[in-house]
Amino acid sequence: DIQMTQSPSSLSASVGDRVTITCQASQDISNYLNWYQQKPGKAPKLLIYDASNLETGVPSRFSGSGSGTDFTFTISSLQPEDIATYYCQQYDNLPHTFGQGTRLEIK
Amino acid sequence: EVQLVESGGGLVKPGGSLRLSCAASGFTFSSYSMNWVRQAPGKGLEWVSSISSSSSYIYYADSVKGRFTISRDNAKNSLYLQMNSLRAEDTAVYYCARDQNRYWGQGTLVTVSS
Repeated sequence: DIQMTQSPSSLSASVGDRVTITCQASQDISNYLNWYQQKPGKAPKLLIYDASNLETGVPSRFSGSGSGTDFTFTISSLQPEDIATYYCQQYDNLPHTFGQGTRLEIK
Repeated sequence: EVQLVESGGGLVKPGGSLRLSCAASGFTFSSYSMNWVRQAPGKGLEWVSSISSSSSYIYYADSVKGRFTISRDNAKNSLYLQMNSLRAEDTAVYYCARDQNRYWGQGTLVTVSS
């Protein structure tokens, strides 16, 4: 199985800050990577697909980059409504493994 | 508008069975693969099972293989997860999701406890 190592596990930042989360795959997954946002009690919401493509309707402050084994998710200017847990997921090979999640808090 | 609505969750004793359903609308159900993903209380997301559009290809996580069965009825726009021999560690919110997880249902809670 492909292991997805996501870091950090938690993050505290101020409104307006640039926030970066990384995800490392245990083997090459090309660009078969999604990023999700999950708020408490809600289903995950797809933000980024194919590593760098912004899902329709998602604010442009969210972005993703990377290919192969190393990926980055960025919020360019943190907003209060961005408080959530973020997950990466590879879909190159089954099982489609998720990262452990990053809990984002406002400082 | 794409909608996925899960049902069938509840409280079941260890060793028991439960059948989850996912009713799909707003898209051509028969054209898309479907997935089940679960989330234990306070934990991360875990892929459980996937089924191709025509049911030709079916996959399971090792943690549920031999106990869970995924199926679909394209005429009824519905996805199912038959869960047998349930264990405490199967306690989770179960989500259905479409193809590359672009769309998710609201989830249904399965609690396995005596």
